[in-house]
Amino acid sequence: AQSVTQPDIHITVSEGASLELRCNYSYGATPYLFWYVQSPGQGLQLLLKYFSGDTLVQGIKGFEAEFKRSQSSFNLRKPSVHWSDAAEYFCALPSGGYQKVTFGTGTKLQVIP
Amino acid sequence: DGGITQSPKYLFRKEGQNVTLSCEQNLNHDAMYWYRQDPGQGLRLIYYSQIVNDFQKGDIAEGYSVSREKKESFPLTVTSAQKNPTAFYLCASSIQGETQYFGPGTRLLVL
Repeated sequence: AQSVTQPDIHITVSEGASLELRCNYSYGATPYLFWYVQSPGQGLQLLLKYFSGDTLVQGIKGFEAEFKRSQSSFNLRKPSVHWSDAAEYFCALPSGGYQKVTFGTGTKLQVIP
Repeated sequence: DGGITQSPKYLFRKEGQNVTLSCEQNLNHDAMYWYRQDPGQGLRLIYYSQIVNDFQKGDIAEGYSVSREKKESFPLTVTSAQKNPTAFYLCASSIQGETQYFGPGTRLLVL
């Protein structure tokens, strides 16, 4: 069965510092992978998605993610974090023609001045 | 402006009461989904519907019911059989085989 693991429940970074959020997956074939962001009390917004091809994916708000098959990872990165990036981030693995999406448990990002 | 709306934003349920959460979309998406979100557990799929008048159970369907009489609407009823209904409920929609887009959510609390 497929699974998604986000090892970090909570991360704190200083504004302007770089960010990397970890995501590991388990899937029997080449996966599709997403990253979503959720502000407090809000729905989820898609940041970026990986289907195939180029392993470095660019998304909105200056985020990027790199797919590494050898490490079963799809880590999210941003070179310089802004206070408005404070939110919860979810890695997700769709399957079954997108009808079922397995979500990680989320990483809550805190940004300090 | 296209999007997904959920109402109400907050909903209170008394013991033994059924409550219905609304989800409407004007994106002309065929597929719609209901998720439950609890702290530290990510999102879990309750029900999904790929077409009008058809829906399938997700991973945690017990204590919930849905209908899909119109393409635009996918209401979720939390029945009295759901013993732990306090959670944040998210509705999503998509074109078949495409990315899911989410509504703003409804927080359900038990009185």
